[in-house]
Amino acid sequence: GAGVSQSPSNKVTEKGKDVELRCDPISGHTALYWYRQSLGQGLEFLIYFQGNSAPDKSGLPSDRFSAERTGGSVSTLTIQRTQQEDSAVYLCASSLRFRETQYFGPGTRLLVL
Amino acid sequence: KNEVEQSPQNLTAQEGEFITINCSYSVGISALHWLQQHPGGGIVSLFMLSSGKKKHGRLIATINIQEKHSSLHITASHPRDSAVYICAVGGGSNYKLTFGKGTLLTVNP
Repeated sequence: GAGVSQSPSNKVTEKGKDVELRCDPISGHTALYWYRQSLGQGLEFLIYFQGNSAPDKSGLPSDRFSAERTGGSVSTLTIQRTQQEDSAVYLCASSLRFRETQYFGPGTRLLVL
Repeated sequence: KNEVEQSPQNLTAQEGEFITINCSYSVGISALHWLQQHPGGGIVSLFMLSSGKKKHGRLIATINIQEKHSSLHITASHPRDSAVYICAVGGGSNYKLTFGKGTLLTVNP
């Protein structure tokens, strides 16, 4: 079946602009996760959604970052007033249930000029 | 000090060699993940384990909860195994994954 998909695959934006990154999890997966991988850095947790529970936002680096998950499926990560340090690959993953094997999307490569 | 330490950072091997990548962590966990990332490629989950040992093809993962240590072994390594291998741990009520910095494996023919 279809895996996790993300769009766009690449995004170039100017400093100060807002961007929206989309994640389509595997159908039926109740948990959805967002991560960031900066150049030369490791993976960093941003936020996760588990079923209908309130999301754990503790990994978001600033209040410019927000995410929502509509209808328990598609998720959007929004970065407002982008900064150059936001440049990174943003990865989405989903799992059938919380704390189970995660399946990763191909990522969105964001470049802030 | 990082909560998750991997060693070595870089590893070069000849085809056919037995590979071991190590991961040590300092926090209590409920599970440990091994992930694979090919250059320019996506991330694939190889194993998720909370005790003992798991095997999939030429890959074996072990974990020692008491020693807070896990190893990933690759038998009969092949150039297609060349990738970054990442250890991640999850624990506590929120289960946020904390990642190691990865081990870059290069297998030469």
